[in-house]
Amino acid sequence: DTAVSQTPKYLVTQMGNDKSIKCEQNLGHDTMYWYKQDSKKFLKIMFSYNNKELIINETVPNRFSPKSPDKAHLNLHINSLELGDSAVYFCASRSDRMNTEAFFGQGTRLTVV
Amino acid sequence: KQEVTQIPAALSVPEGENLVLNCSFTDSAIYNLQWFRQDPGKGLTSLLLIQSSQREQTSGRLNASLDKSSGRSTLYIAASQPGDSATYLCAARDFYGQNFVFGPGTRLSVLP
Repeated sequence: DTAVSQTPKYLVTQMGNDKSIKCEQNLGHDTMYWYKQDSKKFLKIMFSYNNKELIINETVPNRFSPKSPDKAHLNLHINSLELGDSAVYFCASRSDRMNTEAFFGQGTRLTVV
Repeated sequence: KQEVTQIPAALSVPEGENLVLNCSFTDSAIYNLQWFRQDPGKGLTSLLLIQSSQREQTSGRLNASLDKSSGRSTLYIAASQPGDSATYLCAARDFYGQNFVFGPGTRLSVLP
């Protein structure tokens, strides 16, 4: 019954590899996000998708590409992984109604070795 | 650009104390402000959402206030318990964009 689910929960991979993190929400929400939580625990927005259209793209390297096959899914693909990409990545979603709360997934801890 | 700060960065209190966590934001043009709890190695759990038109929101032992004009929100925890130990994050939803801007969090330890 999880509202926002991410897979995998843990991901350990070597530098230079390409990996994907999947996110699904069953709340019928219109907007989905990817956030990165760095080693200092600071959460920063990476991407936001509204009805399958990218509406925010903060200063994130081109190696990161969000893909939204439908409104309920927002996957994050990362090419040529670097050590500095190690972090916890959170997916979130919210309704388009003005004053509604955001729901977050449990996070994916990515470790690049 | 919206910036959110939280004070204190860390707080340690004995069980049973009432405490206040502070959140400040630089741009008062927000849709709402949301308080979250994050346990170590876990995701974010939503605690309270305050609409931009509201002054206060309560859930159990938690009370959050919002003063948009001064760019401040507080989270009041009554009769703290060891189970309240976690990092508390506030996030302001930016009025012009779709983004939730997070503060750095307050790490709370409640000692038995």
